[in-house]
Amino acid sequence: EVQLVQSGAEVKKSGESLKISCKGSGDSFTGYWIGWVRQMPGKGLEWMGIIYPGDSDTRYSPSFEGRVTISADKASRTAYLQWRSLKASDTAIYYCVRHVRGSPVDIWGPGTRVTISS
Amino acid sequence: EIVMTQSPATLSVSPGERATLSCRASQSVSSNLAWYQQKPGQAPRLLIYDASTRATGIPARFSGSGSGTEFTLTISSLQSEDFAVYYCQQFHHWPLYTFGQGTKLEIK
Repeated sequence: EVQLVQSGAEVKKSGESLKISCKGSGDSFTGYWIGWVRQMPGKGLEWMGIIYPGDSDTRYSPSFEGRVTISADKASRTAYLQWRSLKASDTAIYYCVRHVRGSPVDIWGPGTRVTISS
Repeated sequence: EIVMTQSPATLSVSPGERATLSCRASQSVSSNLAWYQQKPGQAPRLLIYDASTRATGIPARFSGSGSGTEFTLTISSLQSEDFAVYYCQQFHHWPLYTFGQGTKLEIK
């Protein structure tokens, strides 16, 4: 079964750094873009940015550019989302997702819950 | 950025009845529109893509229609497991896919 496996829940303090991961099983990375979607508590879905693990081509939503860094390791089929200095407003569930350019998201990871205390 | 607007925010419908959810794009997205269902504590799952094509394993009571800027998701006879939040997403303007704010479908 093709799936995306995300790292576990995190509890951090404001100002700390964090890197969460998303690992693909089977053939889940080859030829696909991997994206990150934020869902703040009780709110909707927000598209953060995407990366093509094949060549690390990365694109960000303007709302998130400069706030987070998306990276990937093709060899280990793992994508990452990281923050250098967390804020309380980063408290959310972060989903990694897979899609082909010009097609919808077809697979979602289970989400990583990130809680930031001030 | 394409803005997706869903209506209503909350829809109350009785089991067995029909539910109609709407999604509007701020500019044309052709038929590049998807619908997702999200239940509490779960990740969203793909229901409909290309505005009207059901994803694998999605029951026939779910149908989508529309093109350009106006889209509709219809659930013909609501089952208990259908009460959830539904999101539309445009995938026409890559790489900035955008979601609607969601419609919560609740039991009347």
